[in-house]
Amino acid sequence: DTGVSQNPRHKITKRGQNVTFRCDPISEHNRLYWYRQTLGQGPEFLTYFQNEAQLEKSRLLSDRFSAERPKGSFSTLEIQRTEQGDSAMYLCASSRRTSGASSYNEQFFGPGTRLTVL
Amino acid sequence: AQSVTQLGSHVSVSEGALVLLRCNYSSSVPPYLFWYVQYPNQGLQLLLKYTTGATLVKGINGFEAEFKKSETSFHLTKPSAHMSDAAEYFCAVSGPLQGAQKLVFGQGTRLTINP
Repeated sequence: DTGVSQNPRHKITKRGQNVTFRCDPISEHNRLYWYRQTLGQGPEFLTYFQNEAQLEKSRLLSDRFSAERPKGSFSTLEIQRTEQGDSAMYLCASSRRTSGASSYNEQFFGPGTRLTVL
Repeated sequence: AQSVTQLGSHVSVSEGALVLLRCNYSSSVPPYLFWYVQYPNQGLQLLLKYTTGATLVKGINGFEAEFKKSETSFHLTKPSAHMSDAAEYFCAVSGPLQGAQKLVFGQGTRLTINP
């Protein structure tokens, strides 16, 4: 168990370019979450997957954002036509069902991808 | 809707002193409550969590927190601060049990330890 990994760790791009981030969850964790953290704030929920199904998306996720988890393992988050307001840390977390209470209450976070849009 | 308020964006204590970080929550359903720590340029590490049962929960690195339903609070404490405790701390709430169980975070408290 190597934990949640994210790549790249840092990304600098010019406004208008597309970027893609990857998240590899802990193996056998069937839930995967994306959060965005801007400077001086707590993380904010963007979206989550259970296996390969994307089950919820935040209103923060504009049409320029898309996330996939095609085989229920790793996930990608793509931002098209980046804007300066997209500059943030993008965090991925994973979890698995524990006990009989249908609870996925412990999320394990990756180190994040810091995006800077110039 | 759920929300978290962390009182004090910055807290400074002397090494060896008591650490108290305040967290109040709002939730229409029984909450699950969490404290996470974040070191610079790193992800979040879980310190402790409350789900059900005992209201005083102990976590890693000597931290503990007490769930007080009547006060809607989940304050984090540590009896004696260490220099390595300097970091950003986030309180979070999740729920409902059925559904995403996404985390809703407070804005964070930066803890500084003075030698």
